[in-house]
Amino acid sequence: NAGVTQTPKFQVLKTGQSMTLQCAQDMNHEYMSWYRQDPGMGLRLIHYSVGAGITDQGEVPNGYNVSRSTTEDFPLRLLSAAPSQTSVYFCASSYSTYSGNTIYFGEGSWLTVV
Amino acid sequence: GDSVTQMEGPVTLSEEAFLTINCTYTATGYPSLFWYVQYPGEGLQLLLKATKADDKGSNKGFEATYRKETTSFHLEKGSVQVSDSAVYFCPNTGFQKLVFGTGTRLLVSP
Repeated sequence: NAGVTQTPKFQVLKTGQSMTLQCAQDMNHEYMSWYRQDPGMGLRLIHYSVGAGITDQGEVPNGYNVSRSTTEDFPLRLLSAAPSQTSVYFCASSYSTYSGNTIYFGEGSWLTVV
Repeated sequence: GDSVTQMEGPVTLSEEAFLTINCTYTATGYPSLFWYVQYPGEGLQLLLKATKADDKGSNKGFEATYRKETTSFHLEKGSVQVSDSAVYFCPNTGFQKLVFGTGTRLLVSP
């Protein structure tokens, strides 16, 4: 089972560049989300989606865009990278929005902005 | 509103020691409770869960019992191994998202 697949695993960007972190899940999950993890800050929710065509902001959405054109894919776009966006990014999915469902995480994308 | 409080780390143990990581909750009802684990360089993965009061979740030698009388869901393991070194999360449940916080780092030395 592939589960949640994120690419790339490692990326170095220059300030001002844009890029897209890809996320795909093969479990037919309705709910997908993006987190960033920083030392001492825990996981913080960036954006989430409750189904194809529906997205919403999480706790730290500034500087990021998302779209959900299919159930499987939920890419995260950095519009103009800043050093403050250096972080580890995790994509996650679950069957539905019910908070009792298990959340499945990708393996993470390590992003450095110089 | 509902909330979960998890003990801060790091927790440092020797191999074969007994582990407890505390997690207490406040809730008007009985939400599902979880423990997730993050091994170095990996994403989070579900360790165990309990969906109602008095349920016991268990996996890989870890256990946690959903105790409504003490509003707790403490994570325990009788004999930890070096390979258990990781960050453990008891997330706060909420509509549409779980709030994971910083977790508790466990360091097990040989």
